[in-house]
Amino acid sequence: GAVVSQHPSWVICKSGTSVKIECRSLDFQATTMFWYRQFPKQSLMLMATSNEGSKATYEQGVEKDKFLINHASLTLSTLTVTSAHPEDSSFYICSAGVRRGHYGYTFGSGTRLTVV
Amino acid sequence: EDKVVQSPLSLVVHEGDTVTLNCSYEVTNFRSLLWYKQEKKAPTFLFMLTSSGIEKKSGRLSSILDKKELFSILNITATQTGDSAVYLCAVLFGNEKLTFGTGTRLTIIP
Repeated sequence: GAVVSQHPSWVICKSGTSVKIECRSLDFQATTMFWYRQFPKQSLMLMATSNEGSKATYEQGVEKDKFLINHASLTLSTLTVTSAHPEDSSFYICSAGVRRGHYGYTFGSGTRLTVV
Repeated sequence: EDKVVQSPLSLVVHEGDTVTLNCSYEVTNFRSLLWYKQEKKAPTFLFMLTSSGIEKKSGRLSSILDKKELFSILNITATQTGDSAVYLCAVLFGNEKLTFGTGTRLTIIP
């Protein structure tokens, strides 16, 4: 149980275009979704926290106008990278907070974004 | 500033060896410490530690937390090539956010 489906797994886009990444909770309701970015050989860096029905909270240094997060339902959260540039190339992973007994986390499978 | 530091950054051992990975933290409002294994994609959960001194064990892996000295260790005995991965330590804060450490890249040589 507690599966998060993330799509696409990988995407290549041209510089200046926008890319949308989706995370769906398949068998539970994700009231909170966390979005991370991971550069090669580095750890996961939290970008933002989204709660269903409200605006996302962004970490310091993350441009909210560039990384648009929508969490309109309890089963779907999206991250849109707007006007992507090569420096946005990275591995993006979502994680849903799950409360089943204790509070835990389940991760999506990640999206590798390459901007050319 | 809250931080989570792992050591070593990378480790190469022979199959069958035992390894110990370290994670130290300086955070406010600590709730739990979690260990993850990351191979090619998303991290997979290993352990969640909340209380000091209580060892958690799963097969050849075990972990323990010391809340007084603010660190945790992850032990892997009789290592196998399938244990090669990046091991991530993360600390859960009171606001339910996870902060990840730098990770330890473990390579097991056959």
